[in-house]
Order: sequence, then C-alpha cells, then structure tokens
Amino acid sequence: DIQMTQSPSTLSASVGDRVTITCRASQSISNWLAWYQQKPGKAPNLLIYKASSLESGVPSRFSGSGSGTEFTLTISSLQPDDFATYYCQQYNSYPNTFGQGTKLEIK
Amino acid sequence: QITLKESGPTLVKPTQTLTLTCTFSGFSLSSSGVGVGWIRQPPGKALEWLALIYWDDDKRYSPSLKSRLTITKDTSKNQVVLIMTNMDPVDTATYYCAHKSSGFSAPYKNWGQGTLVTVSS
Repeated sequence: DIQMTQSPSTLSASVGDRVTITCRASQSISNWLAWYQQKPGKAPNLLIYKASSLESGVPSRFSGSGSGTEFTLTISSLQPDDFATYYCQQYNSYPNTFGQGTKLEIK
Repeated sequence: QITLKESGPTLVKPTQTLTLTCTFSGFSLSSSGVGVGWIRQPPGKALEWLALIYWDDDKRYSPSLKSRLTITKDTSKNQVVLIMTNMDPVDTATYYCAHKSSGFSAPYKNWGQGTLVTVSS
C-alpha cells in the first residue's frame, strides 16, 4: 500500500491567513492526488484533483501543487467557512489511500 | 444531477455479516469508465478506502480487508452492494459510497451522505 502522510495534523489560523497543508506519499504517485474538505457530520467534498486542478464550484482561494511524492494544498486567505478537516487521497494505485487528515482550527 | 445514498442496518452484532446498499442516480454503471467505491470513517478518525467496482465488473479491494469484503453491482437497479463478514466493534464507522466518473484517472467526485453502522452485542 502507498502510505499518505499529512502535516500538520492540526493547524490553528485566523481569518485572512494564508495556510499550507502538506501531503507526502511513500512512493511516487505522479499527480494522481485529490484533496477533500470535510465538515462534521458531512461527507467529504472534492476540492482539488490531479494535484492542481480546481474542482468546479470551488473558490479560487484553494490551490494545489506538487507531483511525485510531495504535494501541498494552499488556502490563500482563510474564510470562516474553511475551518474543517482536510484529507489528501492518492488514486495512482489500489488501495486508494487517504492521509490521516489535517484539522484546521480557528486561532 | 448525481446522487448516491447508502442504506443498511444501523446496528449489527459481532461476528454477523453486514450488507450495505448504495443506490444512485444521475449516471449509469454500464457506462465506460464509471466506478463506485466504498469508504468508511470510524468516529473521530480518518477515512479508510474499502473497495471499488467498475462498469466492466473489475473489482478492487483493500488488501487488509479483502478476505472479508465482497462488492457487487446491479446495473438494472442502479445499485452497488458491499458485504462485510465477521463484523467486529472496530468496524463501527460511517460507511460512504462514492462515484468515479472516468476510470483510474478520476477522483471520487460525488459522495453519499453516509450511514453509521455500530457493531455491538
């Protein structure tokens, strides 16, 4: 299995901040990486696919980058609605593993 | 509009078999490249990928759970069924089904609302 490691596990930030979450794969996954946002009691919501492609309807303050084994999700200016948990997922090979999640909290 | 909805028992006893059904609309599981997967999330924990079935009946399983899982599809009913045997309290989780639109190179774009399954005697 490909292991996906996110950092940090928890991130405290304020509205308006620029934040970056990192996801590392245990082996190369090319750019077959997705980022999801999940709010309590809700299903995950796709934000970014193919490492850097913004899903339709997702605000442009979200961006993704990376390839191979290292990837980042950046939120350029945090909004109140962005406080949630974020997961990366590789879909280069099976099982399509997820990172352990990054909880973005209000400072 | 694509929608998916999970259904099944909310409570199962240890050692029992769990059968979950994903009923979907807005796409056909007979269309080339389309897949439906299952993902679970124990309370307060991370997402865990379980299984996936494609339009051509190609099936993929999590290696750690493969011996306990079976995924099938009924194209005429727009349903995908996941069977998990020998349930244990550690299998308590919200189980989601999700849609993949174009084979290997597609992420899981559309998700069901999830169904919480508790394993307890």
